[in-house]
Amino acid sequence: DAGVTQSPTHLIKTRGQHVTLRCSPISGHKSVSWYQQVLGQGPQFIFQYYEKEERGRGNFPDRFSARQFPNYSSELNVNALLLGDSALYLCASSLVLGLTVVNEQFFGPGTRLTVL
Amino acid sequence: AQTVTQSQPEMSVQEAETVTLSCTYDTSESDYYLFWYKQPPSRQMILVIRQEAYKQQNATENRFSVNFQKAAKSFSLKISDSQLGDAAMYFCAYRSLSGAGSYQLTFGKGTKLSVIP
Repeated sequence: DAGVTQSPTHLIKTRGQHVTLRCSPISGHKSVSWYQQVLGQGPQFIFQYYEKEERGRGNFPDRFSARQFPNYSSELNVNALLLGDSALYLCASSLVLGLTVVNEQFFGPGTRLTVL
Repeated sequence: AQTVTQSQPEMSVQEAETVTLSCTYDTSESDYYLFWYKQPPSRQMILVIRQEAYKQQNATENRFSVNFQKAAKSFSLKISDSQLGDAAMYFCAYRSLSGAGSYQLTFGKGTKLSVIP
């Protein structure tokens, strides 16, 4: 079974640019969450999407947005990039029953974003 | 809001020995999940072990076990018979049992574990 996949693996952008990161969940998982992991820190929650709706949002500015597609894959968009946006962006998928995550979140390998 | 604290930025252990990683958390909820995740240099976050707060029995997965002290809000990970492949960053994480909080993992800052041959 394929795990969570993310693309691209690495990305280099300059300040002020826009970036789109992509994630495909494990087959059968309808929930996708995004996390930002700055070097030397634990991951921080950005968004959670379930059935194409945003169900949770962390303390991130409006420059960060996301969406989920009918096939449950997801995109994370970041506008007006800042140096501080340089980080590993992790995607995780999980099963949901009702409105509750019923098992652990399975993580993808991440996208390393460098902003110059 | 929940917080997770890992007070040991780095730890080292001799191969085949035992090491314990510490984690404390703060929450007003009575039911929740706690996790230990491993992140090797390859970056893939891998679940090591999970503990449900309503279960008094400590979780065990092969060489990995936890010491869950609910009243003290402490959740330590013990690795027995350490192997070179155990070298990684280890993160303690919290998740609510139900509702919107169940979508979000709250992580500690991590402990870097080195295994000495």
